[in-house]
Amino acid sequence: DAGVTQSPTHLIKTRGQHVTLRCSPISGHKSVSWYQQVLGQGPQFIFQYYEKEERGRGNFPDRFSARQFPNYSSELNVNALLLGDSALYLCASSLEQGFNEKLFFGSGTQLSVL
Amino acid sequence: DAKTTQPPSMDCAEGRAANLPCNHSTISGNEYVYWYRQIHSQGPQYIIHGLKNNETNEMASLIITEDRKSSTLILPHATLRDTAVYYCIASWGSQGNLIFGKGTKLSVKP
Repeated sequence: DAGVTQSPTHLIKTRGQHVTLRCSPISGHKSVSWYQQVLGQGPQFIFQYYEKEERGRGNFPDRFSARQFPNYSSELNVNALLLGDSALYLCASSLEQGFNEKLFFGSGTQLSVL
Repeated sequence: DAKTTQPPSMDCAEGRAANLPCNHSTISGNEYVYWYRQIHSQGPQYIIHGLKNNETNEMASLIITEDRKSSTLILPHATLRDTAVYYCIASWGSQGNLIFGKGTKLSVKP
């Protein structure tokens, strides 16, 4: 079975632009979460979607948005990019939503903002 | 949210057991301890989790103290491919999200 897939793997943008990152969960998984990981730090929670509804949001500005499609794939959008948005963006899927669910992570999208 | 404390780095000789400690003294009764690892340029990979009892799977063993205030992840025969950052997680955000710390960077040396 395919794992969590993310695209693109690498991306270079300039300040002020917007970006869309994509994620396909493991087949049968209904929940998708997004995490941001800056160099030297652990991943930080951005969003969680379950059954196409937002179920959780971390401490990120409104420039960050996401959605989940009927096939459970997901997109993360970031508007008005800042230099500080440069990071590895990780998508994780799980069977269900909530506490103590085992997460399966993709390899991430490395975003560089110049 | 239970906070975790891990040493920033550890070394281990190839073929020897790697014992990675984690302190989670504020863990509550229903919070599991999870371990993930992240190999360079990849996403975190689930290793093992437990609540009270010691657990073992094909990757590792997890030893949780009786008072649940600390735990140890054991890689019985470390290989060079086990070089990674290991995250001990004993806390979940209010929305069911994992709360990562900085983890332990394990270097397995030949």
